Amino acid sequence: SQTIHQWPATLVQPVGSPLSLECTVEGTSNPNLYWYRQAAGRGLQLLFYSVGIGQISSEVPQNLSASRPQDRQFILSSKKLLLSDSGFYLCAWSVHRDNEQFFGPGTRLTVL
Amino acid sequence: DAKTTQPPSMDCAEGRAANLPCNHSTISGNEYVYWYRQIHSQGPQYIIHGLKNNETNEMASLIITEDRKSSTLILPHATLRDTAVYYCIVRVATGANNLFFGTGTRLTVIP
Repeated sequence: SQTIHQWPATLVQPVGSPLSLECTVEGTSNPNLYWYRQAAGRGLQLLFYSVGIGQISSEVPQNLSASRPQDRQFILSSKKLLLSDSGFYLCAWSVHRDNEQFFGPGTRLTVL
Repeated sequence: DAKTTQPPSMDCAEGRAANLPCNHSTISGNEYVYWYRQIHSQGPQYIIHGLKNNETNEMASLIITEDRKSSTLILPHATLRDTAVYYCIVRVATGANNLFFGTGTRLTVIP
């Protein structure tokens, strides 16, 4: 069966510090991968998606970036965090882009 | 931007059916209706999806009106563990990767 992992589960970072969140998927090959952010009391916002290694599409201009160094690894990064980057970050995968997406447990980021 | 509207909150008695409505009046012919739910501090969980026919799985039933402008998610026998935020989403069947989540409906199952 397929599983998706995210770490860390929670993170507290000062403004201006770098960020690296990692997501890995097991039990499938060549998945579509997604990064979402959920601000408090709001719905999910798609940040990035990837259909393959090294292929990243950005949905919203951010001070964030994403990379896919391996088939089942998706990384969300920032060089300098802003207060507005606080939120719940979710990674998801799907078999094909037409299929339902399965979400990881999320990372709660607090920027102080 | 989300293309659906849902009531912000609903209550349901434990053991009764929970009927969660969703309006998607601008839905296109090639767009599916998806339902997810999110239990507090966890990632969203896929529930069900459909195009125009009613669908049923082990979790829920999805009823889509004939004009496809609205749908209802039915949890036949709600339990306390069904307390969550339920999201109704429309998405293109092909050529798209993203799910536009709105603010959803917060369902509270009452003992």
